[in-house]
Parts: sequence; C-alpha cells; structure tokens
Amino acid sequence: GAVVSQHPSRVICKSGTSVKIECRSLDFQATTMFWYRQFPKQSLMLMATSNEGSKATYEQGVEKDKFLINHASLTLSTLTVTSAHPEDSSFYICSASPMIRRGGTDTQYFGPGTRLTVL
Amino acid sequence: AQSVAQPEDQVNVAEGNPLTVKCTYSVSGNPYLFWYVQYPNRGLQFLLKYITGDNLVKGSYGFEAEFNKSQTSFHLKKPSALVSDSALYFCAVNAGGTSYGKLTFGQGTILTVHP
Repeated sequence: GAVVSQHPSRVICKSGTSVKIECRSLDFQATTMFWYRQFPKQSLMLMATSNEGSKATYEQGVEKDKFLINHASLTLSTLTVTSAHPEDSSFYICSASPMIRRGGTDTQYFGPGTRLTVL
Repeated sequence: AQSVAQPEDQVNVAEGNPLTVKCTYSVSGNPYLFWYVQYPNRGLQFLLKYITGDNLVKGSYGFEAEFNKSQTSFHLKKPSALVSDSALYFCAVNAGGTSYGKLTFGQGTILTVHP
C-alpha cells in the first residue's frame, strides 16, 4: 500500500518549452502533496505544498509563476515547469500522505522522481 | 525553526557488521522523526518513524532507530549490514503542530557496505 507514481520518469526538452510532471497516489487519497527538488548528491529541497482544491503554498525563493502546481483531485497533482532553462535541470520528487490534518504526523510516501534535462 | 543534522557524509561498514547512521535534530515542539532511504535515480523509500511511545522503533528491512530526547538524536541502526543496504539515507523531522506535514531533511549520509 501507499504507492505514489510519477510520470514521466525522465524528460529532455529544449530551452523555452514547458514540461508537465504528474504525481499520483495510487492506492490512497491525499489531500496534500509536496513537491521537492534534488540536486546531485544533495538533500531534498521543498518547493511547494499542494492542497487539493486550493492554491499551492510555495517556499521562499521558489517562483510560483515558473513552477505551476495544480492539485485537481485527491489522487493527482501536477507540476509544470514553464519556459524551462538549463538551470531548471534537476530531479523532481513528489510525496503524498494518506491523511493530513493540522498537527498531524502522517508519513509522506514519495514518488520515484522525474529527471528533467533542459538543453 | 526545525533542523536536522547528519554529521557523517559517508559511512563505510563491512557486510555482517553492525551499522549506525547518525542524526540529530532541533525543533521547538514535539519531534516526529523519520528515516528514508534513496537508491540511485529513485525516490525515497520510507524506513521507519518515531511519533510517540517506545524510544526504540523498528522498521523495514531490519532497520531500527532509537529516539533519545536528552541528546536530541535519532540514530539509525542495523545489527548486521548487507551489501544491498548500500544507499543514501535521509533523516527528517516534522514538528507536528507547527509544521503541518512539512518535512525538513538532513543532508543525507551515503552508506557503503563492503563485501
């Protein structure tokens, strides 16, 4: 149980194009999903918290107009990297919790990640 | 603000020997602590968590961790290491009521188990 999928697993695009990454919770509903970015040999950096039916909450320094997040259902959140540039190349990972409540401590389950390369 | 430190970038052990991956934390409220493992080009896999109760927590693949409040530590341990345990390990903390699900990760520790 508690499986999270991401699609695509790997994408290569040209500079200036937009790329959409999907994150799905396969066997549970997630009111909240999280998007992270990971550089080689580094830790995960939280980009934004995605709540179903409402606007995402972005961490300081993350451009919300560049990284568009949509959480349309309890099992799907998407991250769109708009007008991608080579510096956006990275490993993007999403996570979801089966249940999130204020003050909650539920486990986050992570997707397998998406490797984005912008040429 | 909450923070997590993993003081060792790398840990090397021989197969069959016990292993320890260290983690210390700093939070203002009650800590909820997690360990995750990451294999190359993969997402994170949940190993175990401490919420409340017994200080010794048992998790997946024979791993366990001990919560020590006085030392603000949550070290990951395994009695007998396997070569397949070689991976990148992350400790994370969620301060519960103040962080509402957000995790803060340590910088990660590369564990290498030699045959």
